[in-house]
Amino acid sequence: GAVVSQHPSRVICKSGTSVKIECRSLDFQATTMFWYRQFPKQSLMLMATSNEGSKATYEQGVEKDKFLINHASLTLSTLTVTSAHPEDSSFYICSAPHRQDTHNEQFFGPGTRLTVL
Amino acid sequence: GQNIDQPTEMTATEGAIVQINCTYQTSGFNGLFWYQQHAGEAPTFLSYNVLDGLEEKGRFSSFLSRSKGYSYLLLKELQMKDSASYLCAVYSNYQLIWGAGTKLIIKP
Repeated sequence: GAVVSQHPSRVICKSGTSVKIECRSLDFQATTMFWYRQFPKQSLMLMATSNEGSKATYEQGVEKDKFLINHASLTLSTLTVTSAHPEDSSFYICSAPHRQDTHNEQFFGPGTRLTVL
Repeated sequence: GQNIDQPTEMTATEGAIVQINCTYQTSGFNGLFWYQQHAGEAPTFLSYNVLDGLEEKGRFSSFLSRSKGYSYLLLKELQMKDSASYLCAVYSNYQLIWGAGTKLIIKP
């Protein structure tokens, strides 16, 4: 099956700093990747769609200047949380679609737990 | 609007059978997914239905009725490791719409 990795798996930072999260498709190419945020006991919330070679598409209510997305290659998308604050503490997950027999299945990275002090 | 409903939490006994329901109202439909998510981990794929009927895969089965906007995930011979959240997602207009998830608690 297709594998998606994320780095780092866990990060603790001080308020006001920026944090970069990498999402890589290891054995397939992904022109599109998705970034989600998940707060405790809540479902996945789509933040943005990352498009290789073009600007990301952000969901309503997500600040594009705060959550910078760069999809520089067919296997790598990065999410940078700028000037992080405690309310940004969450579980961030990326996914990439990969064609299976009958459908495009979403393969998820293992997630990054961000804690902002 | 687009809406997916599933129960917040369910409890079942080890060895038993449980059915998790999902109803949806979306502007488009190109398939319905079920994912399993253990606490603190990313979701993993369980099943995909695009045509009406039952898809069986080992202990797990998924059913779809497009006319009713309804699906269920059936888990048989429950094991303690099945304790997790189960997410229903509909592929609509090139976008995955997620339900809030059903937390399944398995008791010995």
